[in-house]
Amino acid sequence: AQTVTQSQPEMSVQEAETVTLSCTYDTSESDYYLFWYKQPPSRQMILVIRQEAYKQQNATENRFSVNFQKAAKSFSLKISDSQLGDAAMYFCAFLTFYGGSQGNLIFGKGTKLSVKP
Amino acid sequence: DTAVSQTPKYLVTQMGNDKSIKCEQNLGHDTMYWYKQDSKKFLKIMFSYNNKELIINETVPNRFSPKSPDKAHLNLHINSLELGDSAVYFCASSPGLAGGDTQYFGPGTRLTVL
Repeated sequence: AQTVTQSQPEMSVQEAETVTLSCTYDTSESDYYLFWYKQPPSRQMILVIRQEAYKQQNATENRFSVNFQKAAKSFSLKISDSQLGDAAMYFCAFLTFYGGSQGNLIFGKGTKLSVKP
Repeated sequence: DTAVSQTPKYLVTQMGNDKSIKCEQNLGHDTMYWYKQDSKKFLKIMFSYNNKELIINETVPNRFSPKSPDKAHLNLHINSLELGDSAVYFCASSPGLAGGDTQYFGPGTRLTVL
């Protein structure tokens, strides 16, 4: 069974600094997708970034980038120039395939990020 | 315009009652999901539907019954509510069955069972 592990329950970063959130996963599949979702206090789940396992190039979205290491099964999220609005729970998620069709997102337990002014 | 909406956002009820949560998406997506987020913030898939047909049904008590009247709606009905059902329930949708389609989430429904 696939699992997703976020080893940092909480992280803190100073405004304008850079922070990296860790995520590792376990799977025997070679084709899959990885996501980072953000959940601010409003509770809304917001997609931050996604990565296709078949792509070697790391995904980037403005201040957000990932370090995808397929062999190590590692998928960390780097937030540059942190802003107060980045404070949230961050969930790493793995998308598997179920019966050859769209599958279910498997989530890590989340990392709570605080941003200090 | 809200892409994925859920009603109600908050639901407080007594043990043993039956309740429903509604979900609607206006994205034209074919696939919809229900996730449960427990008190420790852990998110887990419950169901997924594609074009009104059940695709995934994880280990969920049969007190939970999803219903999809059309592909834009996926409602969750819960019978005989128990204390352990207290959680936040998220609806999500994705374009279809193509691998890797991004799932878009609704705002969540916080269910509290007293």
